[in-house]
Amino acid sequence: RKEVEQDPGPFNVPEGATVAFNCTYSNSASQSFFWYRQDCRKEPKLLMSVYSSGNEDGRFTAQLNRASQYISLLIRDSKLSDSATYLCVAPGGSYIPTFGRGTSLIVHP
Amino acid sequence: GAVVSQHPSWVICKSGTSVKIECRSLDFQATTMFWYRQFPKQSLMLMATSNEGSKATYEQGVEKDKFLINHASLTLSTLTVTSAHPEDSSFYICSARDPGQLGGANVLTFGAGSRLTVL
Repeated sequence: RKEVEQDPGPFNVPEGATVAFNCTYSNSASQSFFWYRQDCRKEPKLLMSVYSSGNEDGRFTAQLNRASQYISLLIRDSKLSDSATYLCVAPGGSYIPTFGRGTSLIVHP
Repeated sequence: GAVVSQHPSWVICKSGTSVKIECRSLDFQATTMFWYRQFPKQSLMLMATSNEGSKATYEQGVEKDKFLINHASLTLSTLTVTSAHPEDSSFYICSARDPGQLGGANVLTFGAGSRLTVL
């Protein structure tokens, strides 16, 4: 099993829709998780951190389910500008940050 | 916030030449930096962990003699792709941990990336 797994998508949604992505991780000892956003041909930028049960920032909500070892990212009222690839990061072996392959989101008018 | 400066942002070189990529932490000290490589439509793959003052730790399958990493100071790490070949063409990104950020040492700040094209 890969350390961090994501559905690559793409998720194709209309503006205003609510969309959610999941990310599963294998290291049960992991304490902190992150969602990064990456635009095409750009570096990843930190979107949200998840440490305990969850985190909310405006239209974005990240949740952690330790029992099932996954984190989720919920985006409400999607905007065209939300189109990007969303990368999940969890500490892997030796707590080195390990990236999922990313989930592609396309928001259309 | 924490800033990591990486350059060059893009480079085109002939096969067989060497290319150096620099990564600097501008407002914090980075004892550890990570070098990732990303091929089109793929995830970031960790190449090596760069530790200030000591040898880098390379991931399985990454040739340490081909990808030379030097982390001589707390603010600078360099990656040199030696004798580059077309299959080395990729997006190389460095990142550093900034313990001063909310989230502590697990938060990564990324450089802007270097797109290498080897002809």
